[in-house]
Order: sequence, then structure tokens, then C-alpha cells
Amino acid sequence: KAGVTQTPRYLIKTRGQQVTLSCSPISGHRSVSWYQQTPGQGLQFLFEYFSETQRNKGNFPGRFSGRQFSNSRSEMNVSTLELGDSALYLCASSLEAANSPLHFGNGTRLTVT
Amino acid sequence: AQRVTQPEKLLSVFKGAPVELKCNYSYSGSPELFWYVQYSRQRLQLLLRHISRESIKGFTADLNKGETSFHLKKPFAQEEDSAMYYCAPAGGTSYGKLTFGQGTILTVHP
Repeated sequence: KAGVTQTPRYLIKTRGQQVTLSCSPISGHRSVSWYQQTPGQGLQFLFEYFSETQRNKGNFPGRFSGRQFSNSRSEMNVSTLELGDSALYLCASSLEAANSPLHFGNGTRLTVT
Repeated sequence: AQRVTQPEKLLSVFKGAPVELKCNYSYSGSPELFWYVQYSRQRLQLLLRHISRESIKGFTADLNKGETSFHLKKPFAQEEDSAMYYCAPAGGTSYGKLTFGQGTILTVHP
């Protein structure tokens, strides 16, 4: 089975712009989660989607949003970018059961200048 | 508040030596507990989970509910074990949400 695929791998944006990141889960996985990874804060949970519905959300401002499509693919959007949004954004997919192990993608490296 | 503490940011051992990566958690209820690992230039991946009670790549993890710890152990470390290790509990009906520790970088010297 193909693993979790995230595109693009790298992005450079300027402050104030918005960005969209994409994630294709493992075939058959209907749950998609997003995480932000930074050297200072480590791995932090953003949100989780299942059947096109957000089931769980972390403590991030409303500038961070996501959605899931009927084929389980997910996108994450960050509006009005700030320098502090520079991070590695990881997507993970899993089976629908609670506490199912997560399968991570390679991430999208976002740099905000 | 849910909190995970991995007290050692860096841990160095020699090949063949025992290794223990510590994890203490503060979590409401009875969380499911995981260890994830990231090898150099590879994606973050599951190493083991408490409920499986498996030994993966020679690693085991013991849950101590009294001390709320979930330390990862291996009796004889190998060079290929060098990686970043994350302890991560997930609680209740926690869909997709793991609370990761800050991670421990393990270096196994030849």
C-alpha cells in the first residue's frame, strides 16, 4: 500500500499570504489528522477529520482550518501567515477507531518570510 | 491538563549496552500509550503501543499506572536504534489526537 502522501514538500510564503497543504491518506483510512512540528513546541495537534467532518481540534487560532473530501483526501489552510507559522506540517491517517495508530506522511516544510 | 514529559533530550549509549528512554505522563482517565520513532531522513512511525504488549525491534515498554510512566527499554542497543523517540498518550475517544512528548534523541555509538 502506498503511504501517506503530502504535497508540496516545501513552500515559501510571505507574511500575510495564505497557503493550502494537501494530504492523501493510505487507501482505506478514513481518518486524517494534522500536526505542526517546530523545534520549540515539538509536535502539536491541529485537527482531525473523518467522513468530511472535523471530530477533534487542537488549540490553534482560527487562521488554521482544514477540510476533508469524500475520497478522504484532506487539505489544510493557513490564512494571514505569520512568521511563527514556519514549521513542518505533518499529516497522518488512521483507521476510524479511536486511538488507532497514526501513519504519518513526510510533511510539508513551510517557511514564512 | 494533559502533559507528557521525556526528561532526557539526548541519550548516548554504546552498542550492546542497555537503554531506557523515560516517559512520564499526566493524563485524565486511562490513556492508550504509544511510542513513535523517527529515524534519520524517514517519516515518523509507530514503534509500539501498550495495548499490543509486543516487543518490536527488541524494545519493550512497561506501563506503571502508579507512577504514570511508560518507559521504553532495550537490553542491548544497536547502532541502527539511533533515532528520535517520542512518547505519546492518547486518551478516551481521542480521534487522531496524540499528545507528544518533546522527544529523546538516542545515539548508539559503535
